[in-house]
Amino acid sequence: DTAVSQTPKYLVTQMGNDKSIKCEQNLGHDTMYWYKQDSKKFLKIMFSYNNKELIINETVPNRFSPKSPDKAHLNLHINSLELGDSAVYFCASSEGLAGGSEQYFGPGTRLTVT
Amino acid sequence: AQTVTQSQPEMSVQEAETVTLSCTYDTSESDYYLFWYKQPPSRQMILVIRQEAYKQQNATENRFSVNFQKAAKSFSLKISDSQLGDAAMYFCAYGGGTYKYIFGTGTRLKVLA
Repeated sequence: DTAVSQTPKYLVTQMGNDKSIKCEQNLGHDTMYWYKQDSKKFLKIMFSYNNKELIINETVPNRFSPKSPDKAHLNLHINSLELGDSAVYFCASSEGLAGGSEQYFGPGTRLTVT
Repeated sequence: AQTVTQSQPEMSVQEAETVTLSCTYDTSESDYYLFWYKQPPSRQMILVIRQEAYKQQNATENRFSVNFQKAAKSFSLKISDSQLGDAAMYFCAYGGGTYKYIFGTGTRLKVLA
């Protein structure tokens, strides 16, 4: 059973397009996250949701809009894609909000913008 | 603001030998957690080990152990009896009261047969 799943795993698209990445967790966790990992492997949090409520928004361009229809899902929609958006995007979940909770990561979505 | 620094971009170790990966952090919080995550070529991030700052005892998970020096704000990972499957990127991470992790820049570990 996959704990945190993301679709698609690979996404190639052209500049200016709009795309979405879906994330689902079956762990019953309250908190979900989106991370961006750049080409140098630097991993940075983008958003955090707790019970469908936005908790953290790390100065991400407003072209990025997360949506949480329920606490098991956190999708990421990106408008007007730019070359600099090329990266691996990871979804993660944790049992609680506290910084001590283990985070369970999805397999990542490699986004390539041409 | 909290920061996490991994000063070794890359390390190599012979199979069956021991290697230590370094991590330092900065924080003004008294209660926090520290983690090591492994990212193999498959990209899947996996928790290796977790340390609670209020615990003086160093965490251990099989061949993986940490050397946690709270006063020095140091949190190194020791891998004993290294195996080929240990080859991966290793990320040190800080979790505190801000409900988010701060990750270091990672150390790529190569295991030589």
